Amino acid sequence: RKEVEQDPGPFNVPEGATVAFNCTYSNSASQSFFWYRQDCRKEPKLLMSVYSSGNEDGRFTAQLNRASQYISLLIRDSKLSDSATYLCVFDFRSNDYKLSFGAGTTVTVRA
Amino acid sequence: NAGVMQNPRHLVRRRGQEARLRCSPMKGHSHVYWYRQLPEEGLKFMVYLQKENIIDESGMPKERFSAEFPKEGPSILRIQQVVRGDSAAYFCASSPGQITGGIRETQYFGPGTRLLVL
Repeated sequence: RKEVEQDPGPFNVPEGATVAFNCTYSNSASQSFFWYRQDCRKEPKLLMSVYSSGNEDGRFTAQLNRASQYISLLIRDSKLSDSATYLCVFDFRSNDYKLSFGAGTTVTVRA
Repeated sequence: NAGVMQNPRHLVRRRGQEARLRCSPMKGHSHVYWYRQLPEEGLKFMVYLQKENIIDESGMPKERFSAEFPKEGPSILRIQQVVRGDSAAYFCASSPGQITGGIRETQYFGPGTRLLVL
């Protein structure tokens, strides 16, 4: 089983729609989880950390399900500018520096 | 406050040549990480350095690849005798390296160097 698996998409949604996708991880010892965003041919940028209790940042909501070993990202009221590839990222322990990246889920928001 | 800087942004090399990729971390950051991204794949950890020290190079190929982060100047990722399979985007990230509340500081990424081996 891969360390992290993401549905590559693409998810094609109209403006204003809600889109959600998951990312599964194989290492049950993983403690820190993040969603990064990567625009075409650019560097990854931190979108948000994912906390055990779930967290929200504006239109973005992240959830962690430890029992089933996945994290999720939900985008409400999609904007054209949300079109990007969303990378699921985690490290194995809170004092570990290695980030493991998923291959990404591509979201395309159309007018 | 300048972010992580990498140069060159694009690098073309012929097979057998050497490639040198440079990374200047954000101001105040003393920890540098190199990642490689192959087309349609996620980023893969290569090496973690602090000033004058290689902390973890477990993600680096055993041959042809080396990295350094000298006391003065940028971090360098060096690829000797490049092959076509080395063509990829190489990203550098930096962090202060501190642990706050049990969570390591976020890594900030540079714009990457896209290496093309002909």
